[in-house]
Amino acid sequence: GAVVSQHPSRVICKSGTSVKIECRSLDFQATTMFWYRQFPKQSLMLMATSNEGSKATYEQGVEKDKFLINHASLTLSTLTVTSAHPEDSSFYICSARDELDTQYFGPGTRLTVL
Amino acid sequence: GNSVTQMEGPVTLSEEAFLTINCTYTATGYPSLFWYVQYPGEGLQLLLKATKADDKGSNKGFEATYRKETTSFHLEKGSVQVSDSAVYFCALLANQAGTALIFGKGTTLSVSS
Repeated sequence: GAVVSQHPSRVICKSGTSVKIECRSLDFQATTMFWYRQFPKQSLMLMATSNEGSKATYEQGVEKDKFLINHASLTLSTLTVTSAHPEDSSFYICSARDELDTQYFGPGTRLTVL
Repeated sequence: GNSVTQMEGPVTLSEEAFLTINCTYTATGYPSLFWYVQYPGEGLQLLLKATKADDKGSNKGFEATYRKETTSFHLEKGSVQVSDSAVYFCALLANQAGTALIFGKGTTLSVSS
């Protein structure tokens, strides 16, 4: 099946620094990618929808200036957590949708902000 | 708006027991329905899906039938294994271009030998 990768898988950073997470669709082109956040023992909460070549659409309550999303190509979307704080610590998961409208999920990135 | 409600866990079963995880949804129109599984330390994997009423999705011994009359998509397996221990998420995709999956809160299944 289709594969979506995320990098890094785990990152620990100091408060105030910025962290970039990459999401790649390895064997298909994805015009749309999604970014989710998952808190411990909770469901995935959609943060934003990323369309190639255009601005991301953010869900209500998600700060677009804090969570910068770039979708520069059909196989790559990046999420940058700017000026990270401990409350941003979470599991971030991306997904990419193929031409058959099936979403494939990346393995997730565990962010810990000290 | 669209939403998914699934039974709260954890669900604890012995090996070879019958499994049911309930899932109901609220949606306008005719959404597609999915079950995803997340094994410990891993990302989400698509388990099965159904795109229209009365469709049955099946995979690895798991089944779920899209019931429009009861707005349900319950997950079942006749005989669970220890390796089925994971978190199971019910999700829907609205029948509109550009929409994302909407997930239930997840149900943790723990199977003991």
